[in-house]
Amino acid sequence: AQTVTQSQPEMSVQEAETVTLSCTYDTSESDYYLFWYKQPPSRQMILVIRQEAYKQQNATENRFSVNFQKAAKSFSLKISDSQLGDAAMYFCAYRRRANNLFFGTGTRLTVIP
Amino acid sequence: DAGVIQSPRHEVTEMGQEVTLRCKPISGHDYLFWYRQTMMRGLELLIYFNNNVPIDDSGMPEDRFSAKMPNASFSTLKIQPSEPRDSAVYFCASSLSGRGPQETQYFGPGTRLLVL
Repeated sequence: AQTVTQSQPEMSVQEAETVTLSCTYDTSESDYYLFWYKQPPSRQMILVIRQEAYKQQNATENRFSVNFQKAAKSFSLKISDSQLGDAAMYFCAYRRRANNLFFGTGTRLTVIP
Repeated sequence: DAGVIQSPRHEVTEMGQEVTLRCKPISGHDYLFWYRQTMMRGLELLIYFNNNVPIDDSGMPEDRFSAKMPNASFSTLKIQPSEPRDSAVYFCASSLSGRGPQETQYFGPGTRLLVL
């Protein structure tokens, strides 16, 4: 069974600083996708970044980047130049091809002004 | 595109009543997912459809829950009768089939259900 583990229930970062959120997953598949979703207090699930397992290059979206270590089954999210608007719950998620998402338990990120 | 649309956004009902949640996926998407979010269980899949056909309903809690997708642009999740433990945020999401970016699921705003 696929499992996604986020070992940091809460994290905090100073505004303009960098923070890294951790995620590990367990799978026997070789073709899969990994995602980070952001959930602000509005509860909306917002896609932050996506990584295809068949790609070796780490995905980057502006201030957000990932460190994808396929052999270690690790998928961390780095937020650079943190902003107040980055404060939210962050969920790591795994998806086998053409299948549903499996979510981690989330990390609540606080940004300190 | 308007994104995934869900209605209602909030629903308060009394135990024993029937509740119907609605979802309109992004036009052209052939996968539709229903997820539930609770404090105790986090985000979990209830059911998903491909081309209007249910593929996996193993997450549906019990017979009180049912889901339909009569056409490519509409799906419903029904709870009858509702119970207080059904209180949660229910999300609908959709995606395309294929590889790469198509595998991204886009979520609706959710329906916050409170059963008294």
